[in-house]
Amino acid sequence: EAQVTQNPRYLITVTGKKLTVTCSQNMNHEYMSWYRQDPGLGLRQIYYSMNVEVTDKGDVPEGYKVSRKEKRNFPLILESPSPNQTSLYFCASSLGPAEVYGYTFGSGTRLTVV
Amino acid sequence: DAKTTQPTSMDCAEGRAANLPCNHSTISGNEYVYWYRQIHSQGPQYIIHGLKNNETNEMASLIITEDRKSSTLILPHATLRDTAVYYCIVLTTGANSKLTFGKGITLSVRP
Repeated sequence: EAQVTQNPRYLITVTGKKLTVTCSQNMNHEYMSWYRQDPGLGLRQIYYSMNVEVTDKGDVPEGYKVSRKEKRNFPLILESPSPNQTSLYFCASSLGPAEVYGYTFGSGTRLTVV
Repeated sequence: DAKTTQPTSMDCAEGRAANLPCNHSTISGNEYVYWYRQIHSQGPQYIIHGLKNNETNEMASLIITEDRKSSTLILPHATLRDTAVYYCIVLTTGANSKLTFGKGITLSVRP
């Protein structure tokens, strides 16, 4: 089944403890992206990647890192999480430019930083 | 800046058509209109997209006005499972074709 898989689905962590949220897609998509969703703010893009080793900042990149060493994986790294990073996170992938192909989203990761 | 305006909410009866409006008066000539929906904190789901012409797929129809300043998403036979938040998005084209989600419209389908 074609899908975007995120792990974990739920995570509670403490301030400052490094964590990684994994994202994997099995559709050979070139484009991948991370979004966060907060009440009243909608979904906002954190980082995106157009291909292996090609990444760039979205609208709210502060406090996050990403890497794209393989086409299928696009992990989101929080080096020193803070409570304002408590949010619902979504990974998305697309075969190419989204205006042509649209994005497929993962099921989400609900992160709580205490 | 979501570039679109949608009503906050609407409802319709199960089995009837649901017509969801969207205004995008500042859309540029090469920008697409996309519709996604999100069911209770699940990942957003792609529905349909269009540039100028009306579009139809197995889920819905998209009607875009001739001046492209507004559009309507039509779910021809709404079911209870169509209850969700529907997002109308004008896609920023270019190297980073990011989706800018606004607040969307909450559709409630009643039995």
